[in-house]
Amino acid sequence: EAQVTQNPRYLITVTGKKLTVTCSQNMNHEYMSWYRQDPGLGLRQIYYSMNVEVTDKGDVPEGYKVSRKEKRNFPLILESPSPNQTSLYFCASSLTPGLAGEWQYFGPGTRLTVL
Amino acid sequence: KNQVEQSPQSLIILEGKNCTLQCNYTVSPFSNLRWYKQDTGRGPVSLTIMTFSENTKSNGRYTATLDADTKQSSLHITASQLSDSASYICVVSSDFSGGYNKLIFGAGTRLAVHP
Repeated sequence: EAQVTQNPRYLITVTGKKLTVTCSQNMNHEYMSWYRQDPGLGLRQIYYSMNVEVTDKGDVPEGYKVSRKEKRNFPLILESPSPNQTSLYFCASSLTPGLAGEWQYFGPGTRLTVL
Repeated sequence: KNQVEQSPQSLIILEGKNCTLQCNYTVSPFSNLRWYKQDTGRGPVSLTIMTFSENTKSNGRYTATLDADTKQSSLHITASQLSDSASYICVVSSDFSGGYNKLIFGAGTRLAVHP
């Protein structure tokens, strides 16, 4: 089954404790992206990756890191989480970034709470 | 500034009734427009994608329209079902140079279908 998986689905942590949210896709997609979703706001892009070893900042990259060492995996790293990073996070993948006819597949989401 | 605005913010309808959700955008250059359905606690799922030359596209009981001149789109849901209760997100893809299309998300319309 074609899918994007994220782990963990739920995480409660404390300020400053480094964490990693994993994302994996089994569709051989080149493009992967991380978003955060906050109440009343649209999804905002954190980082994206056009291919292995190619990553770039989205609209809200501060406080986050990513890596793309393999095509299927795109982990999101919070080196020193802060309460304003409490949010719902989605990983997404597609064959190409947003071109017509290319569906984008989203993971199930990770709800992060930083105390 | 590239923006996607959706209305209404929320909507309650009775099962079996029709409804129409609106999306206005100020995105340029325009590549395509997508509608997503997001169930509570789940990742968004694609419903339709329309390019500049398409003015209507259907997916079952969902019909999306696009007026590229006025930069407006609508999503019409026919004979609503309880399972249609979700948030509906309008997303516009902007055709940047270098083969990268940026996705700009609306904040969504939360639809509740009551029996």
